[in-house]
Amino acid sequence: TQLLEQSPQFLSIQEGENLTVYCNSSSVFSSLQWYRQEPGEGPVLLVTVVTGGEVKKLKRLTFQFGDARKDSSLHITAAQPGDTGLYLCAGGGATNKLIFGTGTLLAVQP
Amino acid sequence: KAGVTQTPRYLIKTRGQQVTLSCSPISGHRSVSWYQQTPGQGLQFLFEYFSETQRNKGNFPGRFSGRQFSNSRSEMNVSTLELGDSALYLCASSFRFGRGPIYNEQFFGPGTRLTVL
Repeated sequence: TQLLEQSPQFLSIQEGENLTVYCNSSSVFSSLQWYRQEPGEGPVLLVTVVTGGEVKKLKRLTFQFGDARKDSSLHITAAQPGDTGLYLCAGGGATNKLIFGTGTLLAVQP
Repeated sequence: KAGVTQTPRYLIKTRGQQVTLSCSPISGHRSVSWYQQTPGQGLQFLFEYFSETQRNKGNFPGRFSGRQFSNSRSEMNVSTLELGDSALYLCASSFRFGRGPIYNEQFFGPGTRLTVL
C-alpha cells in the first residue's frame, strides 16, 4: 500500500517566519502535486513536479521533488496570514488515481 | 473557464437512506474522479470515470457507485447510508488520461458535505 506521510501535522507560526513541510514515502511516484485547502472548500492545485531533483518556485513558495521521486518538500518564505490552510501532497502514478498525504495544517498569526 | 461544480453543497440524510451527488467537470475535461475526505482517514480515492467507463476503483464497499454521462458529467451514489459515510465528497476533473507525460493534474470542486444522522 502506498502511503505519504507529511510532517509536521500542525504548524502555528507568526507572520514573517519561514517554514518547511515535508512529504515522505517509501514508494516512487511519477508526479507529486501540492494542494492547499481552505475550510469548506476543495483542494486547490499549487504545483506539479515530475522530475527527480526538480525545484519549482511560486512567489514565496518553493517546491522540491526528491532525487528518487519518493519525497518532496514545500518551503514558504516570510509566511503571511493568507497562507493559512491545509497543505496536502499527492502522489500520482500511471493512472489518474492520486495518493494523498496526511496533511499539514498551517496557521499564520498576524 | 468555469471550474468544477458540485451539487448539492450540503446534504443531511438518515441511516439507511441513499444519496446521489452530482459533478460537472471543467469544460473539455473527460476524466472525473471522486474522493472522500474525513478527519480520520484524510482524502481517499473512490473511483475514476473516463468516457463513461470506470477506469479505477478504490477500496470502498459496493454501496458506493458512480456513473459518467456522455457530456462527462458524473454522479456518485451511496446506498444504505451509514454514520461513517459522513464526509466531504470531492470531485476532481482532469484533461489527460494515458497520453504523454502523466501529470495527474486534477482540479477539484468545492465538495458536497454529507451528514448522516
